[in-house]
Amino acid sequence: DGGITQSPKYLFRKEGQNVTLSCEQNLNHDAMYWYRQDPGQGLRLIYYSQIVNDFQKGDIAEGYSVSREKKESFPLTVTSAQKNPTAFYLCASSQPGLAGENTGELFFGEGSRLTVL
Amino acid sequence: AQSVTQLDSQVPVFEEAPVELRCNYSSSVSVYLFWYVQYPNQGLQLLLKYLSGSTLVKSINGFEAEFNKSQTSFHLRKPSVHISDTAEYFCAAGRNTGNQFYFGTGTSLTVIP
Repeated sequence: DGGITQSPKYLFRKEGQNVTLSCEQNLNHDAMYWYRQDPGQGLRLIYYSQIVNDFQKGDIAEGYSVSREKKESFPLTVTSAQKNPTAFYLCASSQPGLAGENTGELFFGEGSRLTVL
Repeated sequence: AQSVTQLDSQVPVFEEAPVELRCNYSSSVSVYLFWYVQYPNQGLQLLLKYLSGSTLVKSINGFEAEFNKSQTSFHLRKPSVHISDTAEYFCAAGRNTGNQFYFGTGTSLTVIP
């Protein structure tokens, strides 16, 4: 079935360690996104990519890094520079129109819950 | 900057009663509007969307929302809720260029037996 796969579902990390969250999609979508979800704050955009080998910072990119070497993959690294990394992380994808316009909705993965000990 | 406001963080309602979850957006340009639902420890699923055309849009499980341009609102309604509707609901807006999406802070709907 087509969709977005995030792994791992749960992850524990010690302070000072980097950790990488995986996101793979088989929907053939050009655009991919990483959001962070905290209670009472909704979803905040970390990074997004509209095409392979290109990505842009979102509203809260500090302490995070991404790569987009393949269309289907958009891994997120939470670095030790992120001061409060404990959160629920959601990956999503969408397919823009030919002119880059929004043509529909975001498709989400099941999320990865990161806890820093 | 574009923003989405969900006025109620928590909405308790008895089973089979009607419910309205409020959403307002601020934008000076055309937008696309969405409602997503999230069950515990899961990702978000699209409930319904307004892109153009009829201002009243409906989901397959009885929810509906109406795009009101003059009031910049996109409230979600259901005439009779079920226990299974208990979830977090997010309103979102997307500009028709740039392919970015903006989310509200969510409304937790709890259906009481």
